[in-house]
Amino acid sequence: GQQVMQIPQYQHVQEGEDFTTYCNSSTTLSNIQWYKQRPGGHPVFLIQLVKSGEVKKQKRLTFQFGEAKKNSSLHITATQTTDVGTYFCAPLISNYQLIWGAGTKLIIKP
Amino acid sequence: SAVISQKPSRDICQRGTSLTIQCQVDSQVTMMFWYRQQPGQSLTLIATANQGSEATYESGFVIDKFPISRPNLTFSTLTVSNMSPEDSSIYLCSVFLQTGLGYGYTFGSGTRLTVV
Repeated sequence: GQQVMQIPQYQHVQEGEDFTTYCNSSTTLSNIQWYKQRPGGHPVFLIQLVKSGEVKKQKRLTFQFGEAKKNSSLHITATQTTDVGTYFCAPLISNYQLIWGAGTKLIIKP
Repeated sequence: SAVISQKPSRDICQRGTSLTIQCQVDSQVTMMFWYRQQPGQSLTLIATANQGSEATYESGFVIDKFPISRPNLTFSTLTVSNMSPEDSSIYLCSVFLQTGLGYGYTFGSGTRLTVV
């Protein structure tokens, strides 16, 4: 079945450093979504990307969809403690069905 | 976007017993989704619950183990039956709706189940 690879599994950063997570598919995607899950919380929908080469920004978060629509990334500039959590990419493969990436856990070093 | 109330938030259960999880949505939705998330893992879809018809189960999940009810367009229950320690997990209900950011999943707060 269709799969998506998300890397890295973990990223440890000092507060103020940048963070990036990548999502890769072997097949062309029509749509990719990103979610954030805080420790002990539930996933929260962040964004949806649809167009080839699309770039969307939410404050310090930048989301990109590759030109070939096979990869996507989330970049956080100058991380803060409120950014801690796990970030999931999730391509939409039907009207409502998602494939969930493994997630990248953002850990802020003390 | 929708607001989903899920309960219980957590429970510790004896093996061999059953637990029913409830989800109430503040708007009418055609489909509700039930997910399982094992500690430190990604989400796995258990089933899709449509009002007025039997739930559609994903591979590896069966109705006898995870019976689902969907009596109306705002409510659903998931029962975890004849529990074993392997069922210890977080169970999440969700809906797929238009938000200000586009169509996406809104989740309940989850039920953290521990089977002893």
